[in-house]
Amino acid sequence: AQSVTQPDIHITVSEGASLELRCNYSYGATPYLFWYVQSPGQGLQLLLKYFSGDTLVQGIKGFEAEFKRSQSSFNLRKPSVHWSDAAEYFCAVAVSDTGRRALTFGSGTRLQVQP
Amino acid sequence: EAQVTQNPRYLITVTGKKLTVTCSQNMNHEYMSWYRQDPGLGLRQIYYSMNVEVTDKGDVPEGYKVSRKEKRNFPLILESPSPNQTSLYFCASTGTGGSYEQYFGPGTRLTVT
Repeated sequence: AQSVTQPDIHITVSEGASLELRCNYSYGATPYLFWYVQSPGQGLQLLLKYFSGDTLVQGIKGFEAEFKRSQSSFNLRKPSVHWSDAAEYFCAVAVSDTGRRALTFGSGTRLQVQP
Repeated sequence: EAQVTQNPRYLITVTGKKLTVTCSQNMNHEYMSWYRQDPGLGLRQIYYSMNVEVTDKGDVPEGYKVSRKEKRNFPLILESPSPNQTSLYFCASTGTGGSYEQYFGPGTRLTVT
C-alpha cells in the first residue's frame, strides 16, 4: 500500500529565508504526487502536482518541488518565504487501486514564519 | 465557478443523534470522496463513489454511510454519531482520465459531545 512520510511536524523560518519541506513516499510504480496547503480555518489548496516528465515542477505562490525517484522524495521548496506562507502543508500520493481515485496524505508540516 | 460545496460548515451535536453533511459539485465529476482530517494523521478517506449508485469503503468507513443518487451530490450520513467522530470533514471530487487531482470542499467541522 502507498504511504507518505513528512518527517517534520513543525518548522519555523524567518521571513525572507528559504524553505524546504520534506516528503518521502512508498509506492511500487511511478507515482502521481501532490502538495496541498491549508491556511488556518481554510480548506485545501493545490500548490503543485507531478505526473510525469520534468522532475522539477513549478506551482503557485512561488513554490516548486523536485521529484527524485532514487530517493523516493518530492520535497517542496521556496526561495524566499513570506509571512502569508504560514500554514500547514500536506504531501500526497494518488492511490491507484482500481476505481478508487483517492489520495494518501502525509501527516502534514506546520510552517511558522517569524518576522 | 467550478467548486465543491459542503453544508453545514460547523456542527455541534450529541451522541446518537443522526446527522447528514451534504456535498455538491458542479464540475460533472464522476468520482467523489469523503475524507476526515485529524491532528497528526493528515486526511484519511472514509468512502468514495465512482459514479451514481456506485460507492465503496475507503480507509476509515466505520460509523459512516454515504449515498450517490445524483451525480452532483454525495451526502455523508452519521446514523449514531460518537465522540470519536469529532473531526474536520472534507468532500472532494475528481474526473476521469489521467488526472488524479482532487478538488476539495471548504470542510465541515463536526463536534460530537
